Amino acid sequence: DAGVTQSPTHLIKTRGQQVTLRCSPKSGHDTVSWYQQALGQGPQFIFQYYEEEERQRGNFPDRFSGHQFPNYSSELNVNALLLGDSALYLCASSTIGGQGYSYEQYFGPGTRLTVT
Amino acid sequence: LAKTTQPISMDSYEGQEVNITCSHNNIATNDYITWYQQFPSQGPRFIIQGYKTKVTNEVASLFIPADRKSSTLSLPRVSLSDTAVYYCLVGDIGADNQGGKLIFGQGTELSVKP
Repeated sequence: DAGVTQSPTHLIKTRGQQVTLRCSPKSGHDTVSWYQQALGQGPQFIFQYYEEEERQRGNFPDRFSGHQFPNYSSELNVNALLLGDSALYLCASSTIGGQGYSYEQYFGPGTRLTVT
Repeated sequence: LAKTTQPISMDSYEGQEVNITCSHNNIATNDYITWYQQFPSQGPRFIIQGYKTKVTNEVASLFIPADRKSSTLSLPRVSLSDTAVYYCLVGDIGADNQGGKLIFGQGTELSVKP
């Protein structure tokens, strides 16, 4: 049973460029969340997708956008990259529980983005 | 949302029991307490969750006193492979202001030595 996979593993971009990160959820999961983790900090929630729609969003600018496909995989897009966007980007998947949310989210290994 | 306070770092030796305490004085009635573990260069991994009293699974135990203002994650007989960052999360994930998002603090960096 494949877990959460993310691609690419590492990425180096220049300020002002755009980047797309990809995530495939764990088999059987339908909800995908994205987190940004700066060095030495805990992960910060960016947004969550369910049924191909953004269901919840954290305190991130519109430069951060996403998409979920019918097969539940997801993309995170960041436009006009800033040096401060350098971080580990984590994707987490889960299933809809009774309330529609789950504490037990399965994380992928992340994509390390470096902006120079 | 309940704010959590946990030690920034802890050291231990192989074979010892490790207890990491998290303070959450403003915990609300509907809040659950959840712990995640994160190894270097990996995503966090769910360890355990509880609401009150004691919860035990194959990995850890979680002790929650009656007032629920703190909780203690207990790792029995740690090994070198338990070296990781441990996050205490408190919240009601279904609440409107949380809505499915996990809210991480800075965590406790546990270092297990031989």
